Parts: sequence; structure tokens; C-alpha cells
Amino acid sequence: GAGVSQSPSNKVTEKGKDVELRCDPISGHTALYWYRQSLGQGLEFLIYFQGNSAPDKSGLPSDRFSAERTGGSVSTLTIQRTQQEDSAVYLCASSLYPADSTNNSPLHFGNGTRLTVT
Amino acid sequence: DAKTTQPNSMESNEEEPVHLPCNHSTISGTDYIHWYRQLPSQGPEYVIHGLTSNVNNRMASLAIAEDRKSSTLILHRATLRDAAVYYCILRDRALRGSQGNLIFGKGTKLSVKP
Repeated sequence: GAGVSQSPSNKVTEKGKDVELRCDPISGHTALYWYRQSLGQGLEFLIYFQGNSAPDKSGLPSDRFSAERTGGSVSTLTIQRTQQEDSAVYLCASSLYPADSTNNSPLHFGNGTRLTVT
Repeated sequence: DAKTTQPNSMESNEEEPVHLPCNHSTISGTDYIHWYRQLPSQGPEYVIHGLTSNVNNRMASLAIAEDRKSSTLILHRATLRDAAVYYCILRDRALRGSQGNLIFGKGTKLSVKP
């Protein structure tokens, strides 16, 4: 079946511009996560959505970053006034059950959006 | 979250078994052991997870030490497509909210030689 889809796959933007990154999770998955991965580094958690609960934004690096999830499905990560240090691969993942579920359902990742800020 | 320790890199020959170790000496009784892998230019991919007993699936086997302070991911017959970074992660089933999200370390970069 269809996996997690992210768009665009690549984005080059000038410093100071705003960008929007889109994530289409697997249909029926209740939990959605955003991570970012800088070159040669591990994954850094950004934000988590679960159903209609308030999102956990504890991983967002600054107030220039925001995200929303409409209708419990598609999510958009917005970065305002981009800086060169924002350059990274932004990864979205979804899982069938919530993060705190004893079902331990695995995360399904998209292939990410590679953001380059020039 | 309890931490895991993995070798930075390992090499294997094609069609031979590979044993990827992971130490987690501070593991708690409610921690599941998860393994993911990340192929070049792709997002991470779930491999396997377990709690106490050894686990097998179509991708790999997970051998968990009796004291649970270490585990080994076993690829029974490595192929070139198995070259990836392998992450060993502990996930606490007792946590609430997004604390159950996965915390990725640096993982083990596996190279497979033809």
C-alpha cells in the first residue's frame, strides 16, 4: 500500500525566505512525527501530533518553526525566515497507534525533504 | 530514555551472516528494544522489536540477552542492499505522550562487500 509521502523531495531557498514542507501520512495512522537530519548526523525530534490532542512541540528549535495537522491527516511544517543552519533533510513519520500505546506500533518514515538554504 | 551503545561501523561479506551488537546496560523493565535501518537517501525503516524473548521476522532476528543489557540484530545472509545505518533504540512502553517518540543515536554503519 501507499507509504508516507513527502513533498517536495528537494527544496532550495534563499536565506530569509519562508518554506512549507508537506507530509501525507499513511491513511488511518493516528500519530504523526517530524524529525530532521543534518548531514552525517542522527535524527532530531521536532514535533508530534496525536489525534485531536495538542501537539508536543518540545523539539522545535526556535519560534521560526511551526507545524499543523489538518483533519488528522496531512501535516505542514513551516519554517519562517530560513537560515543556513536550517539546511537538513526533514523527515515525517506516522504510526498506527499513539506513541504511548503499549502496542508499540512501528514508525513508518517518508523519504524526506532535502532543504538547502543558500 | 535509557541509552544504547553501538559500534560506529562494521563490515560484512555478501551472503554471510552479520551480527550487529547493541549494549543497553541501563535498560528498564518497561523498555522495548527497537531496531531501524536507514538506507542511503531514504528515511529510516523499521526492522524488528522485542522485549525479553528472541524475535524473528522476514527481515532479521533479534537475540536478547537474558539480563536484557545487550541485544544483537542478526541478518542471516547479508546482501548488498543491506548496506545501511542500523539504529538500536529503547522505547519505554510506560511513557505518556510524545515521550514515546523514538530517540535515534548515531547507529552502526554496515558495509557489505561483494
